[in-house]
Amino acid sequence: AQKITQTQPGMFVQEKEAVTLDCTYDTSDPSYGLFWYKQPSSGEMIFLIYQGSYDQQNATEGRYSLNFQKARKSANLVISASQLGDSAMYFCAMREGPVSNTGKLIFGQGTTLQVKP
Amino acid sequence: AAGVIQSPRHLIKEKRETATLKCYPIPRHDTVYWYQQGPGQDPQFLISFYEKMQSDKGSIPDRFSAQQFSDYHSELNMSSLELGDSALYFCASNLWGSPSYEQYFGPGTRLTVT
Repeated sequence: AQKITQTQPGMFVQEKEAVTLDCTYDTSDPSYGLFWYKQPSSGEMIFLIYQGSYDQQNATEGRYSLNFQKARKSANLVISASQLGDSAMYFCAMREGPVSNTGKLIFGQGTTLQVKP
Repeated sequence: AAGVIQSPRHLIKEKRETATLKCYPIPRHDTVYWYQQGPGQDPQFLISFYEKMQSDKGSIPDRFSAQQFSDYHSELNMSSLELGDSALYFCASNLWGSPSYEQYFGPGTRLTVT
């Protein structure tokens, strides 16, 4: 069965420094997608970045990059130059199958990131 | 750009009452997903619809039902509410088979059962 694991319940980072949030996954499907979402204290789920299983290059979106290591089944989120507004819960999620599949997301347990001034 | 709309944003109900949550997807999106996020938990998939047909079902209690209407909006009906149903309920939408793989989430409906 598919599974997402985030082993860091909470992380601290100094403002302007980079931070890596860990995510490992387990699936037997060769086609899958990996997502990171940010959930501030207000509750909304904000899409950050996406990596497809067949993508050759690591995804990047502004200050966010995804360190995709397929053989190790890891998809770590790297946030560069942390800002106070980055303080939030971060969820790693997986969609099994190609886009033509149902598309439901399986989420990890989340990591709470606190950025210190 | 238009986002996913959910109503109401907050709802307080008593045990054994019923509740109806509504979701209006982004225009032209044909697929809707419902997730439940309990306090301190990760979101759990409940059910999804594509072109008004149920496309997948997750851990949705039998007390809950949902449907997608001709205008693609969706409603989640919850009956015989229990204290454990208190959660944040998200609706998400996307366009089936589009290059944009991400699901766009609504702001959520916070349901409190007392």
